[in-house]
Amino acid sequence: SAVISQKPSRDICQRGTSLTIQCQVDSQVTMMFWYRQQPGQSLTLIATANQGSEATYESGFVIDKFPISRPNLTFSTLTVSNMSPEDSSIYLCSALGAGRSTGELFFGEGSRLTVL
Amino acid sequence: AQSVAQPEDQVNVAEGNPLTVKCTYSVSGNPYLFWYVQYPNRGLQFLLKYITGDNLVKGSYGFEAEFNKSQTSFHLKKPSALVSDSALYFCAVRDQLTDSWGKLQFGAGTQVVVTP
Repeated sequence: SAVISQKPSRDICQRGTSLTIQCQVDSQVTMMFWYRQQPGQSLTLIATANQGSEATYESGFVIDKFPISRPNLTFSTLTVSNMSPEDSSIYLCSALGAGRSTGELFFGEGSRLTVL
Repeated sequence: AQSVAQPEDQVNVAEGNPLTVKCTYSVSGNPYLFWYVQYPNRGLQFLLKYITGDNLVKGSYGFEAEFNKSQTSFHLKKPSALVSDSALYFCAVRDQLTDSWGKLQFGAGTQVVVTP
């Protein structure tokens, strides 16, 4: 299994500002993803973080709002830009398992953002 | 499009009693099915998966789930619940035919409360 570390674990942000969340995996993984969990709701995939190229975004999510980087196989960042209170959510980094863990997604503990 | 239904917002059970958390799904192709658990202020932890093979899948912490293709269900079960099993449980599905790796459709979640 992969151990995923995210920071910050939580933050309180002002409307109109941007925040970058960092995600570090303890082993090389082929695929990394970013999910959002809005308060009291389930998880929604934001995008697939592609190494060395632009992320692949799901319907309803755009690069200008959620720019993502993945410079190598173990690290990715998600920026939440020009935040509004509607962006208050838990943002989760995940990585796809391999071998015996094929098909499994491993998740970080999440970054809980509150936008005032 | 694929979907997952968890019909119960909350399940209450006394410690030592059997625990069942229900999940039904809808996909176009063959399903990959997963159960995850989320403890307060934590990320998601993988419990078990069905990819292929035996319909009865055993996972972490004494949990198991049975894939029932005719009923399109994947209910999570534990023979004897513990207070420490109190958490939020998510069922998730990936449509093998249409979905990329990492794109899981999550259910709304079921809060499990185990009382001493």
